[in-house]
Amino acid sequence: QKEVEQNSGPLSVPEGAIASLNCTYSDRVSQSFFWYRQYSGKSPELIMSIYSNGDKEDGRFTAQLNKASQYVSLLIRDSQPSDSATYLCAVNMFGDYKLSFGAGTTVTVRA
Amino acid sequence: SAVISQKPSRDICQRGTSLTIQCQVDSQVTMMFWYRQQPGQSLTLIATANQGSEATYESGFVIDKFPISRPNLTFSTLTVSNMSPEDSSIYLCSVQAPQTSGSYNEQFFGPGTRLTVL
Repeated sequence: QKEVEQNSGPLSVPEGAIASLNCTYSDRVSQSFFWYRQYSGKSPELIMSIYSNGDKEDGRFTAQLNKASQYVSLLIRDSQPSDSATYLCAVNMFGDYKLSFGAGTTVTVRA
Repeated sequence: SAVISQKPSRDICQRGTSLTIQCQVDSQVTMMFWYRQQPGQSLTLIATANQGSEATYESGFVIDKFPISRPNLTFSTLTVSNMSPEDSSIYLCSVQAPQTSGSYNEQFFGPGTRLTVL
């Protein structure tokens, strides 16, 4: 079983809609959760970090964490064509400094 | 966040040769990492670059193939040795942000080195 799994894409949404990205992880002692955005040909950019159960909002992005169910999600509200990218979920286990990455979900926002 | 630069940004190399990639950070950082991202794939950690000691390699990666140096807290190099076409990939260095009460284990990535081996 993969450590970090993301919903398979690609995900296509119309401009202005909500894009919903899901990520599940296998290790119950995971403590830190991250979403990275990667534009084609560029390196990953950290857009959200979440550590506690519940929601965390930053602009049009909302991260949701549910440790009991071992999932973390990212909502992109009012999607814009500039949000078209691959989104990578990363998880860090308690006591470890390494990140485990999911395979990524490619999002395309249609104008 | 720290400003991270990598050199070269891209290169095309011949089979059997070696390439050294440099990673420079504008501030001292404790943890530096090297990743590989093969075409269409996610990131795979190659090793953790330890200052003053040998790098810690992940399963499937060995020092003879990917020697790493970390002479100080702002600089590291990764060498891809005896290259084959299978080594064609993007190589990324990352640094761990200082731990604070609000952030733990955040990593920031350099711009990457796109390597093509013919």
